[in-house]
Amino acid sequence: AQTVTQSQPEMSVQEAETVTLSCTYDTSESDYYLFWYKQPPSRQMILVIRQEAYKQQNATENRFSVNFQKAAKSFSLKISDSQLGDAAMYFCACSKANAGGTSYGKLTFGQGTILTVHP
Amino acid sequence: GAGVSQTPSNKVTEKGKYVELRCDPISGHTALYWYRQSLGQGPEFLIYFQGTGAADDSGLPNDRFFAVRPEGSVSTLKIQRTERGDSAVYLCASSSPGGPYNEQFFGPGTRLTVL
Repeated sequence: AQTVTQSQPEMSVQEAETVTLSCTYDTSESDYYLFWYKQPPSRQMILVIRQEAYKQQNATENRFSVNFQKAAKSFSLKISDSQLGDAAMYFCACSKANAGGTSYGKLTFGQGTILTVHP
Repeated sequence: GAGVSQTPSNKVTEKGKYVELRCDPISGHTALYWYRQSLGQGPEFLIYFQGTGAADDSGLPNDRFFAVRPEGSVSTLKIQRTERGDSAVYLCASSSPGGPYNEQFFGPGTRLTVL
C-alpha cells in the first residue's frame, strides 16, 4: 500500500520567481515511481515530471525540477521562473514498478496544492 | 492524434438512478484506468483494464460500481442506485504498457452530480 501527503493546500508565487511544492510518501515497495501532475481548471491532468526511485539523480524538465530524498521519503517540486500559465492544482503521485521496471500504472495521489501565480 | 475523450462532460441525475460514463482511450493504448476525484481531493483509483479484462479492480468502492471494456478499447463505468456521495469527477486515463514508462494520459473527466 502507498500513501502520499501534500501538506500545503495553497501556495502562491510572483511571476518569474521560484516556488517549491512539498510532498512526502510512504510505500512498502522496493522499486517505485514518483510523479508530479498539473491539473488546470479544464480538469485534464498533465504529467509534469517523473522520478524513478532507483535513480539517485534528481529529474529535471526545463523549468521544473525535483528534490528526491529517498531516505526521508520526500519528493518536492521546484518551479523556476514561474509563469502565469503555471497556475493550477498540482498533485504528487506514486506507483509501484512492474517486474520489468515500468510503472505498474495504478497511481496513488496526494490531496493537491493549489498554486497561484501573481503578475 | 486524438487524446482520451470522455462523455458526457457533465451528468446530473437523481438519487437511486443508474448512470453510465464512457471513456474513449487513445488509439492503440491497451491499458485503461478509472479514477474518482471528489471536490478538493486528489484522484482515487477505481479500476485498471489491460485489454478486455480487469487487471485490478481493488478500488471499486462497492458492488454498485461496475466497469466493462468488451472490445479492449472503449470502456463504460456503470453506477447503479446512485447516492449523493457518488458525486465527483470521474477521470479516465490510458497508457501503452509497452512504452518505456507506461505514462498515463488523462481525459477531461465527467462531472457527476447526484441530487
